[in-house]
Amino acid sequence: QKEVEQNSGPLSVPEGAIASLNCTYSDRGSQSFFWYRQYSGKSPELIMFIYSNGDKEDGRFTAQLNKASQYVSLLIRDSQPSDSATYLCAVRSGGYQKVTFGIGTKLQVIP
Amino acid sequence: GAGVSQSPSNKVTEKGKDVELRCDPISGHTALYWYRQSLGQGLEFLIYFQGNSAPDKSGLPSDRFSAERTGGSVSTLTIQRTQQEDSAVYLCASSLVWTETYEQYFGPGTRLTVT
Repeated sequence: QKEVEQNSGPLSVPEGAIASLNCTYSDRGSQSFFWYRQYSGKSPELIMFIYSNGDKEDGRFTAQLNKASQYVSLLIRDSQPSDSATYLCAVRSGGYQKVTFGIGTKLQVIP
Repeated sequence: GAGVSQSPSNKVTEKGKDVELRCDPISGHTALYWYRQSLGQGLEFLIYFQGNSAPDKSGLPSDRFSAERTGGSVSTLTIQRTQQEDSAVYLCASSLVWTETYEQYFGPGTRLTVT
């Protein structure tokens, strides 16, 4: 079992719709959870982090964490073509500073 | 302030040659990470530094790979006797260690091509 699992996609949504990106992790001791956006040919860019159960909202982005289910998600409201990118889920476990990345989900927002 | 910088941005080398990749982290960030990303693949962890020491080298793929960090700042990743399978984008990231979440910030990467 991979430590951090994501569906590689592509996930296609129409412009204006809600995009829902999902991630599961295997280590129950995981403490911090990150979503990075990576445009083609560019390096990952941090867009959200969350460490408490529940929802965290930032503009059009909402991160959701459920530690009991070992599940973290990213919702993008009012999706725009500029949101088309690969979204990487990353998890930090315990007091350790190593962060494990998922393979990323490719999102395509169709105009 | 300035973000993470990496040099060179692109490197083409012949098989068997040695290469050095450089990372300059965000000022004040004591943790530094190296990752490798092959075409269409996820991020592969290589090594991380806390200050000048490397508590975790588990991701280095072979003994041809080594890294050092001096002065708690700049880091160099060295690949000896390069092979074609070393071709990838090498990414460096840095983070603070006294925040709740240790979020990492990435540099632009070095694209390595071994011919």
